[in-house]
Amino acid sequence: AQSVTQLDSQVPVFEEAPVELRCNYSSSVSVYLFWYVQYPNQGLQLLLKYLSGSTLVKGINGFEAEFNKSQTSFHLRKPSVHISDTAEYFCAVSVANAGGTSYGKLTFGQGTILTVHP
Amino acid sequence: EPEVTQTPSHQVTQMGQEVILRCVPISNHLYFYWYRQILGQKVEFLVSFYNNEISEKSEIFDDQFSVERPDGSNFTLKIRSTKLEDSAMYFCASRGQGHYGYTFGSGTRLTVV
Repeated sequence: AQSVTQLDSQVPVFEEAPVELRCNYSSSVSVYLFWYVQYPNQGLQLLLKYLSGSTLVKGINGFEAEFNKSQTSFHLRKPSVHISDTAEYFCAVSVANAGGTSYGKLTFGQGTILTVHP
Repeated sequence: EPEVTQTPSHQVTQMGQEVILRCVPISNHLYFYWYRQILGQKVEFLVSFYNNEISEKSEIFDDQFSVERPDGSNFTLKIRSTKLEDSAMYFCASRGQGHYGYTFGSGTRLTVV
């Protein structure tokens, strides 16, 4: 089974400062990795995903994440945050496709609430 | 951009009543999912559906829950006899082949009173 740990439940930061939201995962098989954002009273929006290839993944809204297999991490970063980035961020994993039979269930972390202050 | 549509956005029901949550996945997607998020907690997988049958389900998805794709476009989650602890946001998701286009709906907030 897979598990995801988001190391910070809340991250306060000032506008235009850099931010890193940490995610570690545990799995005995290869995984795909995702970051989702949830704005208040809204659904889950995909920020970025790592399936294969380059370990540095760029997503929407200026976010990027780096897959580190040896440290089993997939930390999310943004060099300069805006007030509008205030939201809850979820890291998720899925078992990588094995012979075309992966059903794609996502296992989520507990979420990190990012609050950007003016 | 294609969307996953969920209705209703909010439903209030009395304990013991049956509820049906509805979803319209993206039309050419093959895999369908339900997740739930109890207030203040993480998003949890309930069930996946492929080729007109359940492909995987969690321990949460007990006999009170069922899913159906009745007409090739809708994908429903039924809770037969709701409990207070079923109160949560329920998300539908769909995807095509591989992990491309994995898309969530905006959710149905279910409140059991």
